[in-house]
Amino acid sequence: DTAVSQTPKYLVTQMGNDKSIKCEQNLGHDTMYWYKQDSKKFLKIMFSYNNKELIINETVPNRFSPKSPDKAHLNLHINSLELGDSAVYFCASSQAGDKHPNQPQHFGDGTRLSIL
Amino acid sequence: QQPVQSPQAVILREGEDAVINCSSSKALYSVHWYRQKHGEAPVFLMILLKGGEQKGHEKISASFNEKKQQSSLYLTASQLSYSGTYFCGTGPLTGSGNTGKLIFGQGTTLQVKP
Repeated sequence: DTAVSQTPKYLVTQMGNDKSIKCEQNLGHDTMYWYKQDSKKFLKIMFSYNNKELIINETVPNRFSPKSPDKAHLNLHINSLELGDSAVYFCASSQAGDKHPNQPQHFGDGTRLSIL
Repeated sequence: QQPVQSPQAVILREGEDAVINCSSSKALYSVHWYRQKHGEAPVFLMILLKGGEQKGHEKISASFNEKKQQSSLYLTASQLSYSGTYFCGTGPLTGSGNTGKLIFGQGTTLQVKP
């Protein structure tokens, strides 16, 4: 059973299009994250939700909008895609909050987004 | 602020040892280590929470020096399966509205050759 699953695995699209990436976790975690990994492998946090509440919102263009319908799902919608958006986007989950400090994060397999 | 890892890359022969360092200009409260194989997701290795704490996972261990604001990952008698990119991530101070936010270093690429 996959713990953190993302779809799609590959996404190839043209500049200006809108696309979504979906993430689901079956670990019972209360916190989910979106990371962007660029071509230099730099792994940067973008957003985090705890029980459907946005708790981390890094400096990211507002073309990126996360949504969490419930604590097991976190989606990422990207409007007006640009060449610089090409990257691998990872979803992750963990327990977090003051009752669960410093817990390991479990990553999905990533979505490889290529903008033509 | 992003922690700095050194070296950026290392090539080993099977059986050799390696050390990867992770340094921060800010106080460290916790250090998380992950390994990412090519084309795969980062995988959790270990977390160090206290100054001076050392942890081990098979032949991979780590230490945490609060005073030096540094953590080191030790890979002993390396195996081919150790190849990949190693990331350290610095975690937040516990009890301060912990969001679980990690700031990752730039990664160290380790290649183990037969």
